[in-house]
Amino acid sequence: GNSVTQMEGPVTLSEEAFLTINCTYTATGYPSLFWYVQYPGEGLQLLLKATKADDKGSNKGFEATYRKETTSFHLEKGSVQVSDSAVYFCALLRAGSYQLTFGKGTKLSVIP
Amino acid sequence: GAGVSQTPSNKVTEKGKYVELRCDPISGHTALYWYRQSLGQGPEFLIYFQGTGAADDSGLPNDRFFAVRPEGSVSTLKIQRTERGDSAVYLCASSLFGTASYEQYFGPGTRLTVT
Repeated sequence: GNSVTQMEGPVTLSEEAFLTINCTYTATGYPSLFWYVQYPGEGLQLLLKATKADDKGSNKGFEATYRKETTSFHLEKGSVQVSDSAVYFCALLRAGSYQLTFGKGTKLSVIP
Repeated sequence: GAGVSQTPSNKVTEKGKYVELRCDPISGHTALYWYRQSLGQGPEFLIYFQGTGAADDSGLPNDRFFAVRPEGSVSTLKIQRTERGDSAVYLCASSLFGTASYEQYFGPGTRLTVT
């Protein structure tokens, strides 16, 4: 079946530090991959996505590259801000499906 | 424009009671989804509507759970004989159409606590 594994949190970083949140997946075929973010008190929001191998999704300074050979979609940001504090979810959508499969989430706290 | 809204935002009920959770999707969105997020977990798929019909209810955990979308817009998730294990955040999402090409937009969720 389909599954997503992401690094456990919480992750605490100082402002302007480099961020990596690891995500690996198991799926048949060629899924689309997503990062969602949940800010405190708000609903899930799509942060970025990639629909095929070697695609790079990017938004708000965050990036993730779809690596089929390593079945990974790691989230990176070069310089985090306090406002990036949130829970980040990696997710996949199997080709032809509409059911998102999520990882457990990684809580990020950025301190000034 | 308005996003997906869910009511109530919080619901506390006693074990064995019946509850209804409501979802108002983005206007014009034909596809609607329910997910459940337990503490420390990612959301898990429950059911998907295309229009008025439940196209896929394979994620519903048992027959105590039921959902409707009678006019193809608002949806209600119904839970009978609630159990403490039903405590979770119930998320609703909608998309323009029910294919991977269309982003799912999530509501803020309803936090259900069964005491």
